[in-house]
Amino acid sequence: GAGVSQTPSNKVTEKGKYVELRCDPISGHTALYWYRQSLGQGPEFLIYFQGTGAADDSGLPNDRFFAVRPEGSVSTLKIQRTERGDSAVYLCASSLSLSGGPSTQYFGPGTRLTVL
Amino acid sequence: AQSVTQLGSHVSVSEGALVLLRCNYSSSVPPYLFWYVQYPNQGLQLLLKYTSAATLVKGINGFEAEFKKSETSFHLTKPSAHMSDAAEYFCAVSYSSGGYNKLIFGAGTRLAVHP
Repeated sequence: GAGVSQTPSNKVTEKGKYVELRCDPISGHTALYWYRQSLGQGPEFLIYFQGTGAADDSGLPNDRFFAVRPEGSVSTLKIQRTERGDSAVYLCASSLSLSGGPSTQYFGPGTRLTVL
Repeated sequence: AQSVTQLGSHVSVSEGALVLLRCNYSSSVPPYLFWYVQYPNQGLQLLLKYTSAATLVKGINGFEAEFKKSETSFHLTKPSAHMSDAAEYFCAVSYSSGGYNKLIFGAGTRLAVHP
């Protein structure tokens, strides 16, 4: 079956611009996560959705970052007034929501964002 | 704060040699533990996970890992390396359960396999 997809695969923008990154999770997965992976680092948690609501947004670095999931499926990560330090690979993952142990997260290939 | 330490950002082995990638976590409460692999231009793929059942966990592609509470470690091993094992490997922990499973990753170890 289809895995998690992310578009675009690469995004180059100029400092100060607005960008949107899209994630299509695996069908039926109610949990959706965004992570950010900077060069030479492991992924860092940004935000978690359960259905349509952001249940944990404690990883968003500041108020320039925002994410939505209006219909409980596709999610969009929005970054306003981009800065060079926002350059990274943005990863999306989805999972089922099961009781009794951690559900496996399935990751997309990521969007590489470059801010010039 | 919880953290994960992967000793060695780069590991190089010969084809057929033992692979050992080290992971230690910082917590007095045993977490759930995971190893992910990332091939170039691909998403992270789960190799194996520890969820408080057996301490020796077997994963895909011949990898396994052993949870040692006394050492707060979860090292990844494979008896005989293949060229196709060359990739970046991430250890991760989670203190959540059920539907919510926020992962905290280590910095990663890049494995090179040479003939």
